[in-house]
Amino acid sequence: GAGVSQSPSNKVTEKGKDVELRCDPISGHTALYWYRQSLGQGLEFLIYFQGNSAPDKSGLPSDRFSAERTGGSVSTLTIQRTQQEDSAVYLCASSPRPGLDTQYFGPGTRLTVL
Amino acid sequence: AQKVTQAQTEISVVEKEDVTLDCVYETRDTTYYLFWYKQPPSGELVFLIRRNSFDEQNEISGRYSWNFQKSTSSFNFTITASQVVDSAVYFCALKSFGNEKLTFGTGTRLTIIP
Repeated sequence: GAGVSQSPSNKVTEKGKDVELRCDPISGHTALYWYRQSLGQGLEFLIYFQGNSAPDKSGLPSDRFSAERTGGSVSTLTIQRTQQEDSAVYLCASSPRPGLDTQYFGPGTRLTVL
Repeated sequence: AQKVTQAQTEISVVEKEDVTLDCVYETRDTTYYLFWYKQPPSGELVFLIRRNSFDEQNEISGRYSWNFQKSTSSFNFTITASQVVDSAVYFCALKSFGNEKLTFGTGTRLTIIP
């Protein structure tokens, strides 16, 4: 079946602009996760959704970052007033349910802030 | 606090050689899960294996094998008769039961020389 999909695959933006990154999880997966991969910080957890609610937002680095999930499916990660340090690959993952299940990752969105 | 250490930053071996990637973890939890993911040049994280803390049996899947030892907090990954297609960055990750966050190591870049 189809895996996790993310769009866009690449995004170049200017400092100070807002960006939206989209994630489509595997159909039927109730849990959805966002991670960030950057050269300096490695792979970092950002936020976790169970259904439409986000029980764990502990990894969001600042209040410029927010995320939502609608209909228990698609999720959008929004970064406001982007900074150069936001440049990274943003990875989305989903799992059938939280707890025991493996997280399956999408191809990522490469964000470059000029 | 949880931590995963992959001390080998880069490894290069000649094709057909065996290679072992090391992973050492730290956690205070008694129930946890360990994972290996492969990230080929295309960038997508590919799930390889999941192990729970109560199952110390070693696992073999084709040319891949994993050695889980709780006594040394290690979960090492061996590739037998390596092939060029094995060239990738490999990540070890840890997840505690009840916590949805995956904690990743810094990865090991494996290059197989033809």
